[in-house]
Amino acid sequence: DAGVTQSPTHLIKTRGQQVTLRCSPKSGHDTVSWYQQALGQGPQFIFQYYEEEERQRGNFPDRFSGHQYPNYSSELNVNALLLGDSALYLCASSRDRYQETQYFGPGTRLLVL
Amino acid sequence: AQSVTQLGSHVSVSEGALVLLRCNYSSSVPPYLFWYVQYPNQGLQLLLKYTSAATLVKGINGFEAEFKKSETSFHLTKPSAHMSDAAEYFCAVSDRASGGINYKLTFGKGTLLTVNP
Repeated sequence: DAGVTQSPTHLIKTRGQQVTLRCSPKSGHDTVSWYQQALGQGPQFIFQYYEEEERQRGNFPDRFSGHQYPNYSSELNVNALLLGDSALYLCASSRDRYQETQYFGPGTRLLVL
Repeated sequence: AQSVTQLGSHVSVSEGALVLLRCNYSSSVPPYLFWYVQYPNQGLQLLLKYTSAATLVKGINGFEAEFKKSETSFHLTKPSAHMSDAAEYFCAVSDRASGGINYKLTFGKGTLLTVNP
């Protein structure tokens, strides 16, 4: 049983560009959350998708947007990249059930130059 | 708003010694609490979670944590450290909606554990 997968593993972009990161949830999971982990920090919640809708959002600007597909996979899009967007982006999946655990993927490391 | 404080950004122990990683939380409702471990260049792996059942929670790799409501703490312990335990450890609290469904996790800043031979 495959766990949470993310692509690409690494990415280098320049300021002002746009980026799309992808996530496939663990089998049987229907909820996807995205987190940003800056160097030396804990992960920060970006948003969560369930039933193809954004259910909850953290304190991130509108440059960060997402999408969830009918097969539960998800994308994170970041527009107008800033140097401060350089981070490890983590995807987590879970079942939308009581006390369910979020399982994390290996992350995509984004470097903005 | 919920928050997590991890005391000590870096903890160093000798192999075979007790591991104690500290976590304090603030929450307006009974929390769900988690410890995750992150090895270099990897994602987060769940060690254990507290969901209002037993206050002493046992996890993987010999780790356990005790929920103490009076102290708003959820410290992680392991009786005997192994070299393979060297990693970064994150405490997290779940922001539960009234229906009890997991929503976002709020993480502490992490504690880097080094194990000396």
